[in-house]
Amino acid sequence: DAKTTQPNSMESNEEEPVHLPCNHSTISGTDYIHWYRQLPSQGPEYVIHGLTSNVNNRMASLAIAEDRKSSTLILHRATLRDAAVYYCILRDFTTSGTYKYIFGTGTRLKVLA
Amino acid sequence: DSGVTQTPKHLITATGQRVTLRCSPRSGDLSVYWYQQSLDQGLQFLIQYYNGEERAKGNILERFSAQQFPDLHSELNLSSLELGDSALYFCASSVGLAASYNEQFFGPGTRLTVL
Repeated sequence: DAKTTQPNSMESNEEEPVHLPCNHSTISGTDYIHWYRQLPSQGPEYVIHGLTSNVNNRMASLAIAEDRKSSTLILHRATLRDAAVYYCILRDFTTSGTYKYIFGTGTRLKVLA
Repeated sequence: DSGVTQTPKHLITATGQRVTLRCSPRSGDLSVYWYQQSLDQGLQFLIQYYNGEERAKGNILERFSAQQFPDLHSELNLSSLELGDSALYFCASSVGLAASYNEQFFGPGTRLTVL
């Protein structure tokens, strides 16, 4: 089962900031928080990840709550090309020393022109 | 372009048949992951290989199998196909196994339709 909870859908106007929330109340101390997005008719692509501190990259920012039980992906200026399903993921470690991603249902972001 | 290639892009076959999906990881990536995405189940992890060895299993049916070859490409074999196996199948690759952080790069997928 997915370890994260996200709203099913959100809407944003073009050129405005978007805040996509994610709850991960069962997160452990060593779990990274990952965000991927899936554009229409494409495979998922990496957006950002973080552990404790807020993170920024060219695509987005990730704000992590102090207790790490929730996080928010921030798109500073949404464009029509940002319309996608956004997945917040925690890794599920296996007994063989590797991990697997458990994808939830994600948040479908609609960007209005 | 993620650097991960998958063939074929589309596959249409009949129930009971067997198909093979192929994946070539990014240059230098040793880990390969297979995922199934269907309308009712979302994106499901199937199996992971690292440098030729199976390392993690997810919700993979016994009718499905995979392998990773010495040149690091991977194949997912689906047999005794059922209507419910119709889905998008994604392959992803990453540099390593699990140390610290490994971003996964996803291919464009193979759309399988079972009639």
